Amino acid sequence: QVQLVESGGGVVQPGRSLRLSCAASGFTFSNYAMHWVRQAPGKGLEWVAVISYNGNNKYNADSVKGRFTISRDNSRNTLYLQMNSLRAEDTAVYYCAKDGSIAAADYYFDSWGQGSLVTVSS
Amino acid sequence: EIVLTQSPATLSLSPGERATLSCRASQSVSSYLLWYQQKPGQAPRLLIYDASNRATGVPARFSGSGSGTDFTLTISSLEPEDFAVYYCQQRSNWPRITFGPGTKVDIK
Repeated sequence: QVQLVESGGGVVQPGRSLRLSCAASGFTFSNYAMHWVRQAPGKGLEWVAVISYNGNNKYNADSVKGRFTISRDNSRNTLYLQMNSLRAEDTAVYYCAKDGSIAAADYYFDSWGQGSLVTVSS
Repeated sequence: EIVLTQSPATLSLSPGERATLSCRASQSVSSYLLWYQQKPGQAPRLLIYDASNRATGVPARFSGSGSGTDFTLTISSLEPEDFAVYYCQQRSNWPRITFGPGTKVDIK
């Protein structure tokens, strides 16, 4: 079955960087667009970024534009999120999520990882 | 940005009762509306996609309806495992997709 396992979270000071990884298994990773979605403590869900199945197209939410970069390595079945210039408001659980449609990015999420907590604090 | 409003914020019901959750969009999203369930400490789970289609493995007691700006998620008879937070999401205005603030269904 589909498995998504995030790693790389932790406590980081404002202005510093962190990279999250998401290891995928149980499906043909290179056939699907992938997303990052985050959830601040006690709050709702916020979509962060998407990358197409082949890595050629990427989009970010306005709240992270210019600071976060999504990427993927299809040879390693791994998704990444490079987070720079972190702010307190970036504190959240970060989920990687698989797009529900093969090849296309249809912006719905049929499988999720367990999440990785990122805390931005001095 | 399309704003999604969910009501009520909290729904207190007993097992076996019917739950009706609402999601309203600030402009038409056609049928591109999804529902997710989230239990404490867990990732969200896709329930309904494109307004009325149950995701794989979702019990038949969950149903979705609506189009345009008004949508409903109905749980026909609540099971103990259904007490959770439910989020709607629109994918009409990609990549600026948005989620609603959630409805918590708790035990009365």
